[in-house]
This record gives sequence, structure tokens and C-alpha cells, in this order.
Amino acid sequence: AQSVAQPEDQVNVAEGNPLTVKCTYSVSGNPYLFWYVQYPNRGLQFLLKYITGDNLVKGSYGFEAEFNKSQTSFHLKKPSALVSDSALYFCAVRDAGNNRKLIWGLGTSLAVNP
Amino acid sequence: DARVTQTPRHKVTEMGQEVTMRCQPILGHNTVFWYRQTMMQGLELLAYFRNRAPLDDSGMPKDRFSAEMPDATLATLKIQPSEPRDSAVYFCASGGDRPTDTQYFGPGTRLTVL
Repeated sequence: AQSVAQPEDQVNVAEGNPLTVKCTYSVSGNPYLFWYVQYPNRGLQFLLKYITGDNLVKGSYGFEAEFNKSQTSFHLKKPSALVSDSALYFCAVRDAGNNRKLIWGLGTSLAVNP
Repeated sequence: DARVTQTPRHKVTEMGQEVTMRCQPILGHNTVFWYRQTMMQGLELLAYFRNRAPLDDSGMPKDRFSAEMPDATLATLKIQPSEPRDSAVYFCASGGDRPTDTQYFGPGTRLTVL
């Protein structure tokens, strides 16, 4: 069955330090992978996606993600965290059997401390 | 800049009352999704449409929830009768038809059923 795991409920980093939010997936075919961010009392905002090609994908607000097929991972990264990056982050994968439906992780709460 | 819009943004109602939530997808998008977000369950897909036709509503409690797209610019989610356990944030998202297409989310309707 297709699934997405975000193994950390919460990640804490100091401002200026690099951050990583982890995501692993399981799909039967080629994965299409997405990251979204949700700020308090807001809708989800699209950050970036991996479709094919270069394993390092660059997105909005200085975020990037690295696709690793052998480890079935798609970790979100940023070289230098900002306090304003504090939010809830969701990873999602397109269901290979239903190419319109996304399978979602449970989210990771990122806290960036000044 | 094209956005998904949702109304109302907040709704407080009493148990047993009918609730209708509305969504205007981004012009040109032919898939529309309804999600529910709670602290306990995370992000749940309730239903989705392609070209206004319902494709999957397996995530929706059938006895009280209904979703429709009367035209390409309007999607509705109705709860009748509402119950306190329906209290949640309801998001609408729209996207294109390709498996690589991104879903774009509206700001959500925060529903409180007393």
C-alpha cells in the first residue's frame, strides 16, 4: 500500500542553523513527491515537488529537497533557518494507482528558535 | 495571482443545524478536492471531483455529508445535520489533471459545532 512517513512530530533548530525535515515514502510505481507548508491559521502552501530528473529540487523561500530513490526518501532542507520558517510541514506522494489523489504524511512541526 | 477561495472562513453553529461550505477553484483547474484537518486525525481527504464529476467520496460520512459541483466555478460541501465531532478546518484544493500537477489550497473554513 502507498504511504508516507514523517518520522518526527517536531523538529527544533536554532536560527541560522541548517534544518532538515524528514520524509520517507512507499509507492508501487514512480513517485511524484510534494512538500507543503502550513502557517498558523492558514491553508497549505506548495513549496516544491519532485517529478523526474535532478534529485535536488529547489523551491520557495530557500527550501530544497533531495530525492533518494534507494532510501525512498525526500527530505526537506534549508541551509540557514529563519524564525519565520516555524510552521507545520507536510510531505505527500502521488498515489500510483490514482494519479489525482495525494497520500499525505501526518506533518512535522518545525520550531526555529531565535 | 490566482487563488482558491473559500467561504465562510469561520462558522459557529449548533448541533443539528445544516452547514454549507463553498469553494471557488482556480480558473482552468479541473480537479477539486475537499479535505478535513483535525488535531487527532491530521489531513483527511473527504472527496474529489474531476470535470465536476465526483470520483471518490469514500472519505466522507455518507449519512450526513454531501459534496457537489453545480458548475466549474463552485464546489460545495454540506453537512446535515451537523454534530460536534464535525468541528474541524475544511480545506478545498484545486489542480490540473496530470499526475505531476500541484494541488493548490484555499484558506479553509474553520467549523465549530456546539
